[in-house]
Amino acid sequence: GAGVSQSPRYKVAKRGQDVALRCDPISGHVSLFWYQQALGQGPEFLTYFQNEAQLDKSGLPSDRFFAERPEGSVSTLKIQRTQQEDSAVYLCASSLRQGPYEQYFGPGTRLTVT
Amino acid sequence: AQSVTQLDSQVPVFEEAPVELRCNYSSSVSVYLFWYVQYPNQGLQLLLKYLSGSTLVKGINGFEAEFNKSQTSFHLRKPSVHISDTAEYFCAVSEPPSGGYQKVTFGTGTKLQVIP
Repeated sequence: GAGVSQSPRYKVAKRGQDVALRCDPISGHVSLFWYQQALGQGPEFLTYFQNEAQLDKSGLPSDRFFAERPEGSVSTLKIQRTQQEDSAVYLCASSLRQGPYEQYFGPGTRLTVT
Repeated sequence: AQSVTQLDSQVPVFEEAPVELRCNYSSSVSVYLFWYVQYPNQGLQLLLKYLSGSTLVKGINGFEAEFNKSQTSFHLRKPSVHISDTAEYFCAVSEPPSGGYQKVTFGTGTKLQVIP
């Protein structure tokens, strides 16, 4: 069956541009997570959705980062006025329910800010 | 707050040799522990997880890990590695769900390089 998909896979943005990263979770998965993975680091939590509700956005590094999941399925992570320190791989993961259930990860979007 | 330490950033090992990837964690409460594998240009895939019960956990691709509460460790082992095991491995920890979900904290990863 289809896994988690993300688009675009690669994005190059000039400093100051806005970008939008898309995540299509596995159909029926309630929980959706966004992570940021800097070069040589592990994924770091950004935000969590349960259906359409954003229950935790404590990991978003600044108010330039915004995420939404309006219909409880597809999610978009938006970064306004990109900075060089935003360069990273952005990973999306979904899981069927809450709790210690396996998170299924997408391939990520590699963002490079020049 | 929970945290994970993977001391080895890279581990080279010859094909068919055994390997151990080390992971230590810290948490003030009981934890769930995970190992994920990441192949180049791919997302993370769950290898195995410890939630409760037996401290020896078996996962996919012949990997296993042992939860040691006294040493706060969750080392990953495989008795005989293959070239296809070359990848980056991430240890992760989460505390029981709070507010309806679990927040997972990942280590910095260990790159396993299998040498022919």
